[in-house]
Amino acid sequence: QKEVEQNSGPLSVPEGAIASLNCTYSDRGSQSFFWYRQYSGKSPELIMFIYSNGDKEDGRFTAQLNKASQYVSLLIRDSQPSDSATYLCAVKGRGANSKLTFGKGITLSVRP
Amino acid sequence: NAGVTQTPKFQVLKTGQSMTLQCAQDMNHNSMYWYRQDPGMGLRLIYYSASEGTTDKGEVPNGYNVSRLNKREFSLRLESAAPSQTSVYFCASSEALLGVYGYTFGSGTRLTVV
Repeated sequence: QKEVEQNSGPLSVPEGAIASLNCTYSDRGSQSFFWYRQYSGKSPELIMFIYSNGDKEDGRFTAQLNKASQYVSLLIRDSQPSDSATYLCAVKGRGANSKLTFGKGITLSVRP
Repeated sequence: NAGVTQTPKFQVLKTGQSMTLQCAQDMNHNSMYWYRQDPGMGLRLIYYSASEGTTDKGEVPNGYNVSRLNKREFSLRLESAAPSQTSVYFCASSEALLGVYGYTFGSGTRLTVV
């Protein structure tokens, strides 16, 4: 059973702070990693994906991947109240037929 | 706007009634998926279609059937609705099962079974 764990949460940070969202996965052969943002009552929206170990930056967002530790994280710099949402980690296993497995999500609240 | 379109957005069913949730995408994607999302359970895959003409079970297929009508459309049918099927249903698509760029989701159908 492939698992994706997002155990820390809910998370509350003040405006302007760095929010750190963490995710671990059980399938060591996993190839691709995604972060989705979901506002209340809305559908998930892809914000970042990462395939290689290390950091990937896109604006205020940085995804970090450590395959040896089976760990992927999302950092949000200069957090804004508009970043308040649930963040879903999704992992794609090895093989072309593997589908995305989603974590249960972490709810982030950014306090003005 | 390009994307994934789901209908209806809201539906209330009585136990035992049947209904079909419709999904269409205009991104020329090969693969399509149906998920349900419940509080505390995350997104769970019901059925998927790797390409036109194929469908396969996901994690929670019981009580559901699907039809890949053509490359654009993928429908989900509840033959005899049960209160346990109260959920938010999302359709998604990707260029292929490989999903290099992840999945694109529709806006969802909020279903209540009473």
